[in-house]
Amino acid sequence: EAGVVQSPRYKIIEKKQPVAFWCNPISGHNTLYWYLQNLGQGPELLIRYENEEAVDDSQLPKDRFSAERLKGVDSTLKIQPAELGDSAVYLCASSLGREVFNEQFFGPGTRLTVL
Amino acid sequence: AQSVTQLGSHVSVSEGALVLLRCNYSSSVPPYLFWYVQYPNQGLQLLLKYTSAATLVKGINGFEAEFKKSETSFHLTKPSAHMSDAAEYFCAVDTGRRALTFGSGTRLQVQP
Repeated sequence: EAGVVQSPRYKIIEKKQPVAFWCNPISGHNTLYWYLQNLGQGPELLIRYENEEAVDDSQLPKDRFSAERLKGVDSTLKIQPAELGDSAVYLCASSLGREVFNEQFFGPGTRLTVL
Repeated sequence: AQSVTQLGSHVSVSEGALVLLRCNYSSSVPPYLFWYVQYPNQGLQLLLKYTSAATLVKGINGFEAEFKKSETSFHLTKPSAHMSDAAEYFCAVDTGRRALTFGSGTRLQVQP
């Protein structure tokens, strides 16, 4: 079974440029999460989807960040414009169900460097 | 509000020695607790989880953790460290929001 796929794995951009990250969850997983992981820190939830609906986006900085999950499968996270402080690893995870004890499977992440 | 505190950002043990990684949580409701491991340039992998069944939870790779409500702790242990255990370990809590709150992580080094 294929795991959570993320691309690109690495991205280097100049500040004020836009950037997008893509995530393909495990087949059949209807819950999808985007996390932000700063260096030396644990992941922090940005947004959670149940199918195509964003059910928890309270931690997403909506002035520059946006996300979508069309058709309830793949998801894209966008930053426009990027700032120096956005340099971090962006993790995508998916789970089979909405219950908290359903295991979240994480992708390898996209490491963003903003210069 | 819920939070997780991992004591010790770095832990170093000798191969074959006991591994003890500490995690304390704060929660106003009974929590679900998790330990994840992250190897370099890889995603997080679930080691074990506590979901209000047995207080001693066994996970993969010989790890286990004990939920102690009176101490608000969920420490991770392994009787004998192996070189392959070197990684970053994260404790996480969920109090029903279906969103994990992670600690800041503990990097485990295993010396030969």
